[in-house]
Amino acid sequence: DGGITQSPKYLFRKEGQNVTLSCEQNLNHDAMYWYRQDPGQGLRLIYYSQIVNDFQKGDIAEGYSVSREKKESFPLTVTSAQKNPTAFYLCASNVGSDNEQFFGPGTRLTVL
Amino acid sequence: AQTVTQSQPEMSVQEAETVTLSCTYDTSESDYYLFWYKQPPSRQMILVIRQEAYKQQNATENRFSVNFQKAAKSFSLKISDSQLGDAAMYFCAYRSAWYTGNQFYFGTGTSLTVIP
Repeated sequence: DGGITQSPKYLFRKEGQNVTLSCEQNLNHDAMYWYRQDPGQGLRLIYYSQIVNDFQKGDIAEGYSVSREKKESFPLTVTSAQKNPTAFYLCASNVGSDNEQFFGPGTRLTVL
Repeated sequence: AQTVTQSQPEMSVQEAETVTLSCTYDTSESDYYLFWYKQPPSRQMILVIRQEAYKQQNATENRFSVNFQKAAKSFSLKISDSQLGDAAMYFCAYRSAWYTGNQFYFGTGTSLTVIP
Protein backbone atom coordinates (compact mmCIF):
# COMPACT_ATOMS: atom_id res chain seq x y z
CA ASP A 1 0.00 0.00 0.00
CA GLY A 2 1.19 3.48 -0.85
CA GLY A 3 1.51 6.01 1.91
CA ILE A 4 3.64 8.12 4.19
CA THR A 5 5.42 6.73 7.21
CA GLN A 6 6.81 8.71 10.10
CA SER A 7 8.93 7.26 12.81
CA PRO A 8 8.96 7.07 15.68
CA LYS A 9 5.41 7.79 16.85
CA TYR A 10 6.67 9.15 20.18
CA LEU A 11 10.11 10.63 20.78
CA PHE A 12 11.68 11.89 23.96
CA ARG A 13 14.87 13.90 24.10
CA LYS A 14 16.80 15.87 26.64
CA GLU A 15 17.06 19.60 26.27
CA GLY A 16 20.07 20.64 24.19
CA GLN A 17 20.13 17.53 22.03
CA ASN A 18 19.48 17.50 18.31
CA VAL A 19 16.90 14.99 17.12
CA THR A 20 15.93 13.81 13.64
CA LEU A 21 12.39 12.88 12.66
CA SER A 22 11.95 10.48 9.79
CA CYS A 23 9.49 10.84 6.91
CA GLU A 24 9.31 8.37 4.03
CA GLN A 25 6.77 8.17 1.20
CA ASN A 26 6.24 5.60 -1.55
CA LEU A 27 3.65 7.62 -3.44
CA ASN A 28 6.20 8.94 -5.95
CA HIS A 29 5.25 12.48 -4.94
CA ASP A 30 7.57 15.33 -5.85
CA ALA A 31 6.65 17.71 -3.06
CA MET A 32 7.08 17.05 0.65
CA TYR A 33 6.31 19.18 3.67
CA TRP A 34 6.88 19.42 7.41
CA TYR A 35 4.33 21.00 9.72
CA ARG A 36 4.27 21.67 13.40
CA GLN A 37 0.98 21.42 15.25
CA ASP A 38 0.37 23.08 18.60
CA PRO A 39 -2.97 23.39 20.41
CA GLY A 40 -5.04 26.27 19.06
CA GLN A 41 -2.58 27.13 16.30
CA GLY A 42 -3.44 24.75 13.52
CA LEU A 43 -0.67 23.56 11.21
CA ARG A 44 2.35 25.77 10.73
CA LEU A 45 4.75 25.12 7.86
CA ILE A 46 8.37 24.49 8.82
CA TYR A 47 10.00 23.49 5.53
CA TYR A 48 8.92 22.17 2.17
CA SER A 49 10.64 20.64 -0.81
CA GLN A 50 9.35 20.56 -4.37
CA ILE A 51 12.19 18.51 -5.81
CA VAL A 52 15.20 16.48 -4.75
CA ASN A 53 18.13 18.54 -3.45
CA ASP A 54 15.99 21.64 -3.10
CA PHE A 55 13.91 22.95 -0.20
CA GLN A 56 12.43 26.21 1.06
CA LYS A 57 11.81 27.66 4.49
CA GLY A 58 8.28 27.90 5.73
CA ASP A 59 6.87 30.25 8.32
CA ILE A 60 8.70 28.81 11.34
CA ALA A 61 12.00 27.40 10.04
CA GLU A 62 14.22 28.78 12.78
CA GLY A 63 15.80 26.00 14.82
CA TYR A 64 15.02 23.33 12.22
CA SER A 65 16.90 21.84 9.29
CA VAL A 66 16.01 19.42 6.51
CA SER A 67 17.56 17.49 3.64
CA ARG A 68 16.11 15.99 0.47
CA GLU A 69 18.67 13.61 -0.95
CA LYS A 70 16.10 11.13 -2.20
CA LYS A 71 12.63 11.69 -3.63
CA GLU A 72 11.02 9.42 -1.06
CA SER A 73 12.72 10.80 2.05
CA PHE A 74 12.53 14.18 3.81
CA PRO A 75 14.00 14.02 7.33
CA LEU A 76 13.59 16.92 9.76
CA THR A 77 16.22 17.76 12.37
CA VAL A 78 15.13 19.68 15.42
CA THR A 79 18.22 21.45 16.67
CA SER A 80 19.06 22.77 20.11
CA ALA A 81 18.42 26.27 18.73
CA GLN A 82 14.68 25.58 18.64
CA LYS A 83 13.39 27.26 21.79
CA ASN A 84 10.23 25.24 22.30
CA PRO A 85 10.49 21.97 20.37
CA THR A 86 7.85 19.97 22.21
CA ALA A 87 5.04 19.56 19.68
CA PHE A 88 3.31 17.23 17.24
CA TYR A 89 5.05 17.07 13.86
CA LEU A 90 3.31 16.11 10.65
CA CYS A 91 4.90 15.20 7.34
CA ALA A 92 2.92 15.53 4.12
CA SER A 93 3.36 15.11 0.39
CA ASN A 94 1.52 15.88 -2.81
CA VAL A 95 1.88 15.70 -6.57
CA GLY A 96 0.71 18.16 -9.14
CA SER A 97 -0.87 21.56 -8.76
CA ASP A 98 -4.41 20.35 -8.28
CA ASN A 99 -4.06 17.63 -5.71
CA GLU A 100 -4.55 17.54 -2.00
CA GLN A 101 -1.85 16.78 0.51
CA PHE A 102 -1.44 13.32 1.97
CA PHE A 103 -0.29 13.13 5.57
CA GLY A 104 1.74 10.76 7.66
CA PRO A 105 0.59 9.63 11.11
CA GLY A 106 2.78 12.20 12.90
CA THR A 107 5.49 12.18 15.55
CA ARG A 108 4.97 13.52 19.05
CA LEU A 109 8.25 15.04 20.25
CA THR A 110 8.73 15.77 23.92
CA VAL A 111 11.82 17.54 25.13
CA LEU A 112 12.51 17.00 28.80
CA ALA B 1 0.49 35.26 2.02
CA GLN B 2 -3.01 33.90 2.00
CA THR B 3 -4.83 33.57 5.30
CA VAL B 4 -7.49 31.10 6.31
CA THR B 5 -9.77 31.85 9.24
CA GLN B 6 -11.92 29.45 11.20
CA SER B 7 -13.82 31.54 13.72
CA GLN B 8 -15.40 28.64 15.62
CA PRO B 9 -12.82 26.95 17.87
CA GLU B 10 -15.44 24.49 19.14
CA MET B 11 -18.78 23.23 17.90
CA SER B 12 -21.17 20.55 19.07
CA VAL B 13 -24.01 18.68 17.40
CA GLN B 14 -26.55 16.08 18.41
CA GLU B 15 -26.18 12.73 16.75
CA ALA B 16 -28.21 12.56 13.50
CA GLU B 17 -28.47 16.36 13.32
CA THR B 18 -26.79 18.74 10.89
CA VAL B 19 -23.91 21.07 11.67
CA THR B 20 -22.09 23.71 9.62
CA LEU B 21 -18.47 24.67 10.15
CA SER B 22 -17.34 28.06 8.89
CA CYS B 23 -14.21 29.04 7.00
CA THR B 24 -13.20 32.29 5.34
CA TYR B 25 -10.04 33.04 3.42
CA ASP B 26 -8.23 36.00 2.02
CA THR B 27 -6.67 35.92 -1.43
CA SER B 28 -6.19 38.07 -4.50
CA GLU B 29 -6.00 35.05 -6.78
CA SER B 30 -8.86 33.94 -8.98
CA ASP B 31 -7.94 30.28 -9.29
CA TYR B 32 -7.30 28.09 -6.29
CA TYR B 33 -8.36 25.00 -4.39
CA LEU B 34 -10.03 24.66 -1.03
CA PHE B 35 -10.06 21.63 1.24
CA TRP B 36 -11.56 20.36 4.45
CA TYR B 37 -9.48 17.93 6.46
CA LYS B 38 -10.57 15.88 9.44
CA GLN B 39 -8.22 15.00 12.29
CA PRO B 40 -9.74 12.41 14.65
CA PRO B 41 -8.21 11.54 18.04
CA SER B 42 -5.69 9.31 16.25
CA ARG B 43 -4.34 12.59 14.77
CA GLN B 44 -4.21 11.14 11.26
CA MET B 45 -5.22 13.89 8.84
CA ILE B 46 -7.91 12.73 6.42
CA LEU B 47 -9.22 14.62 3.41
CA VAL B 48 -12.97 15.17 3.69
CA ILE B 49 -13.77 17.22 0.61
CA ARG B 50 -12.18 19.53 -1.94
CA GLN B 51 -13.47 22.37 -4.09
CA GLU B 52 -12.00 23.95 -7.20
CA ALA B 53 -12.60 27.70 -7.29
CA TYR B 54 -13.44 27.71 -11.00
CA LYS B 55 -16.33 25.32 -10.42
CA GLN B 56 -19.54 27.00 -9.37
CA GLN B 57 -21.13 23.76 -8.24
CA ASN B 58 -20.63 22.97 -4.59
CA ALA B 59 -18.73 19.76 -3.87
CA THR B 60 -20.49 16.88 -2.13
CA GLU B 61 -19.17 13.66 -0.61
CA ASN B 62 -21.92 11.52 0.91
CA ARG B 63 -22.99 13.31 4.13
CA PHE B 64 -20.47 16.11 3.64
CA SER B 65 -21.12 19.12 1.44
CA VAL B 66 -19.76 22.60 1.11
CA ASN B 67 -21.23 26.02 0.57
CA PHE B 68 -18.66 27.82 -1.55
CA GLN B 69 -19.24 31.56 -1.92
CA LYS B 70 -16.37 32.86 -4.04
CA ALA B 71 -17.25 36.53 -3.89
CA ALA B 72 -17.57 36.39 -0.13
CA LYS B 73 -14.46 34.18 0.15
CA SER B 74 -16.37 31.75 2.28
CA PHE B 75 -16.13 27.95 2.32
CA SER B 76 -18.33 26.28 4.92
CA LEU B 77 -18.65 22.55 5.56
CA LYS B 78 -22.04 20.98 6.25
CA ILE B 79 -22.21 17.60 7.92
CA SER B 80 -25.60 15.95 7.67
CA ASP B 81 -26.88 13.08 9.81
CA SER B 82 -23.95 13.51 12.19
CA GLN B 83 -22.40 10.33 13.54
CA LEU B 84 -20.25 9.69 16.58
CA GLY B 85 -17.33 9.00 14.26
CA ASP B 86 -17.52 12.56 12.96
CA ALA B 87 -16.13 13.86 16.24
CA ALA B 88 -12.77 15.35 15.33
CA MET B 89 -10.81 18.48 14.64
CA TYR B 90 -11.66 19.95 11.25
CA PHE B 91 -9.24 22.09 9.30
CA CYS B 92 -9.97 24.29 6.32
CA ALA B 93 -7.11 24.70 3.83
CA TYR B 94 -6.30 26.84 0.80
CA ARG B 95 -3.93 26.15 -2.05
CA SER B 96 -3.11 28.32 -5.05
CA ALA B 97 -3.74 26.77 -8.46
CA TRP B 98 -0.42 28.13 -9.63
CA TYR B 99 2.49 25.75 -9.18
CA THR B 100 4.81 28.44 -7.88
CA GLY B 101 5.07 28.20 -4.11
CA ASN B 102 3.03 25.04 -3.85
CA GLN B 103 2.08 25.91 -0.30
CA PHE B 104 -1.05 24.99 1.56
CA TYR B 105 -2.49 27.39 4.11
CA PHE B 106 -4.46 25.98 7.02
CA GLY B 107 -6.92 27.50 9.44
CA THR B 108 -6.62 27.00 13.19
CA GLY B 109 -9.27 24.31 13.24
CA THR B 110 -12.72 23.65 14.71
CA SER B 111 -13.16 20.94 17.31
CA LEU B 112 -16.43 19.11 16.70
CA THR B 113 -18.17 17.17 19.47
CA VAL B 114 -21.00 14.80 18.61
CA ILE B 115 -23.46 14.29 21.45
CA PRO B 116 -25.18 10.88 21.58
